[in-house]
Formats: sequence, C-alpha cells, structure tokens
Amino acid sequence: EAQVTQNPRYLITVTGKKLTVTCSQNMNHEYMSWYRQDPGLGLRQIYYSMNVEVTDKGDVPEGYKVSRKEKRNFPLILESPSPNQTSLYFCASSLRTGVLYEQYFGPGTRLTVT
Amino acid sequence: SQQGEEDPQALSIQEGENATMNCSYKTSINNLQWYRQNSGRGLVHLILIRSNEREKHSGRLRVTLDTSKKSSSLLITASRAADTASYFCATDEKRLIQGAQKLVFGQGTRLTINP
Repeated sequence: EAQVTQNPRYLITVTGKKLTVTCSQNMNHEYMSWYRQDPGLGLRQIYYSMNVEVTDKGDVPEGYKVSRKEKRNFPLILESPSPNQTSLYFCASSLRTGVLYEQYFGPGTRLTVT
Repeated sequence: SQQGEEDPQALSIQEGENATMNCSYKTSINNLQWYRQNSGRGLVHLILIRSNEREKHSGRLRVTLDTSKKSSSLLITASRAADTASYFCATDEKRLIQGAQKLVFGQGTRLTINP
C-alpha cells in the first residue's frame, strides 16, 4: 500500500531532550516536507526536500533540523525541544518537485514538550 | 505567510444538503488544491485545479476557480455524515529556488454534517 508513515504517533517529552520523528514513504517520491499544525495558525511548513541531499527551510525552521540521506526517509530532529514546539506534526511527500503534484500526508505525530 | 483563507470558518448543515466553502488568496498562482482532514489525522488530497481551468468535478465535489477575483469554491453535493471534516485550500507560492514547491494552506473550514 502506498503510504507515508511517521513514528512515533504520540510523544511526550521534557524540555531539552533531543528527539527524532521519522518519516518514510514507499512511493519513490522526490519531494518531502514537514509541517506543523497549531490551532488558529493552520499548517506551516518547517522544512522541505526536493531530492536526496537537497533540503531547504520553510516558514518556521527555527529549532528543527532535517536530513535526506535516502530518498524514502526524511527525519525531523529537535535538538533541544521547548514547550513552544508542542504541536501536531505532519510529513508529506509528492512525486516530483513542482506545483502540479498533490501531496500525500502521513498520519501525524502529536508532540508534547513539558 | 498565509495565502489561502477559507470562509466560513465553520459550517453545519443537515445530511443531504449541499455544502459550499470558499477560499481567497492574495498572489498569482499556478494551481489551487483542496484537502480534507478528519479530526487529528493527516490531510487527504481531494482535487487540484490549474490556473487556466475554471471548473472541475470529482464525484460529488465541484471546484471553481476565479483568478480575476483570486478565489475558489468547493461544493459538496448531497452531503453525508462521513463528509464531516475540515477542508483546506492550498495554493502554490513561487520560491527563489526554481521548481521548488511550496503549498501554503489556509486555516480551513470545519464542516459538520448533522444526521
């Protein structure tokens, strides 16, 4: 089944404890992206990747890191999480870079930082 | 930056009625997409309409695009309880890196279908 998977789905952690949220897609998509969703603010893009080893900042990259060493994986790293990073996170992918391709979303990761 | 803005923020109708949601945006676009999100879950792509198209259908969905008014509408006909969800429009935004894709999402319309 074609899908985007994220792990973990739920995570409660403490301030400053490094964490990684994994994202994997099995559709051989070139483009991958991370979003966070907050009430009243909608979805905001954190980082995106046009292909392996090509990443760029989105609208809210502060406090996050990403890497794209393989085409299928695009982990999101929080080196020192803070409470303002409590949010619902989504990974998404699309076949190509370009404006005519729909994005496929993962199921989301609900992160709470205390 | 926020490109698309949906209207209304919330809509509640009876099952079987039609639901119309609107999206306005600010800058020129190449395409506009609509997504659905069931509570707390990932977004699901519904339909994409290109800037040179005026109307598009998919099952019970009808999307219109008026580039002169910078607006789009999503019509769901003969609504069902399962249509209860949030609906988002997303527009592309040109970036400095050629070919880079950025979808900018609105804040969504929360649609409730009452049995």
